Amino acid sequence: QSALTQPRSVSGSPGQSVTISCTGTSSDVGGYNYVSWYQQHPGKAPKLMIYEVSKRPSGVPDRFSGSKSVNTASLTISGLQAEDEADYYCCSYAGSVYVFGTGTKVTVL
Amino acid sequence: QVQLVQSGAEVKKPGASVKVSCKSSGYTFISYYIHWVRQAPGQGLEWMGLINPSGGSTIYAQKFQGRVTMTRDTSTSAVYMDLSSLRSEDTAMYYCARARAWFGELDSWGQGTLVTVSS
Repeated sequence: QSALTQPRSVSGSPGQSVTISCTGTSSDVGGYNYVSWYQQHPGKAPKLMIYEVSKRPSGVPDRFSGSKSVNTASLTISGLQAEDEADYYCCSYAGSVYVFGTGTKVTVL
Repeated sequence: QVQLVQSGAEVKKPGASVKVSCKSSGYTFISYYIHWVRQAPGQGLEWMGLINPSGGSTIYAQKFQGRVTMTRDTSTSAVYMDLSSLRSEDTAMYYCARARAWFGELDSWGQGTLVTVSS
């Protein structure tokens, strides 16, 4: 199972929006609505931000939103804030196994 | 509150095995699956496998088949990940995380256990 493809980095100024893509195949992202997104700050454990493509756990700001089209999932951060600077990983169910994305570093300029 | 507490850092020699524990509290242990995910220094997250604490069934990533064993002890609400034939490329932070369903999201994570493989 190959890792899902994410851009290495994205950046934006405070208040702007950024979108991170996560491209897989019909065997993972395209085949199931079980895509989740995780935020990881340096030296910390990952934190769940989005699950089942577009659902937000309680406590996650509504600035974070998710979507999917065919084999590509996306995470959008609207109204970018300094604390959003972190690494982000997508993850997809792939029929009994899971696969993570390559990871994207979000920089707040 | 939900907590997953992992065992401490380990230093192992190539060829040895390591056993990392993950002790759960704050929820019904057998109602959530436990996944293991690792992260090599400066690298991304890598899924290793999962265990169903209810019956003990497991699924392992193909990459780790034959080298990894995941077990559980329902009496202590603990899950264990045993990785054998260690090599330098296994140096990584190892995380356990829980999921509410076989295909579910990882909603709570342990603090991580650093395993260093060095001669």
